[in-house]
Amino acid sequence: GIQVEQSPPDLILQEGANSTLRCNFSDSVNNLQWFHQNPWGQLINLFYIPSGTKQNGRLSATTVATERYSLLYISSSQTTDSGVYFCAVRNYGQNFVFGPGTRLSVLP
Amino acid sequence: DTEVTQTPKHLVMGMTNKKSLKCEQHMGHRAMYWYKQKAKKPPELMFVYSYEKLSINESVPSRFSPECPNSSLLNLHLHALQPEDSALYLCASSQVTGETQYFGPGTRLLVL
Repeated sequence: GIQVEQSPPDLILQEGANSTLRCNFSDSVNNLQWFHQNPWGQLINLFYIPSGTKQNGRLSATTVATERYSLLYISSSQTTDSGVYFCAVRNYGQNFVFGPGTRLSVLP
Repeated sequence: DTEVTQTPKHLVMGMTNKKSLKCEQHMGHRAMYWYKQKAKKPPELMFVYSYEKLSINESVPSRFSPECPNSSLLNLHLHALQPEDSALYLCASSQVTGETQYFGPGTRLLVL
């Protein structure tokens, strides 16, 4: 099945800093989602982005499907951005596979 | 409305108990999912229902029994669980299988 890697595994930032999270996947995909899991366990949809670039406020994401990676950019980070960021991918006819996640801590 | 609700939020049960988890969505989605998430791990798919029919069972032990009574409801019946089954159980839904998934807040289960 498809393999998903995320980097870095852990990230500590000061409030106001910018960061880039990466998701690599081993096969072509027709669906890619970025999620933020808050400290209470809720998985929040950030982006549905199988290809191209999208922006939502301080967050943006880019997926280069031909090179099998996606990037999530967080600008001007806030303490409420803390949590775990997952990418999840799906190949045609397959199930969603989650990456191992990036654990982000934003310090005041 | 992109809300998926789950009850209860927390559940403690003994190994001989029978309990059920409930998931509900009113977005008209025809695919619903159960995931299990252990601490510091990503969610792992357990079951997929498509148009109220079980389409995927990821080799889950029979002590977990899913049920989809209608297109808005998904239950997970629990019986004779083991302590290692303690985890966060997440429900999700999507328009159809493979489309964008929306997750509920989860049920934190502790098996004693």
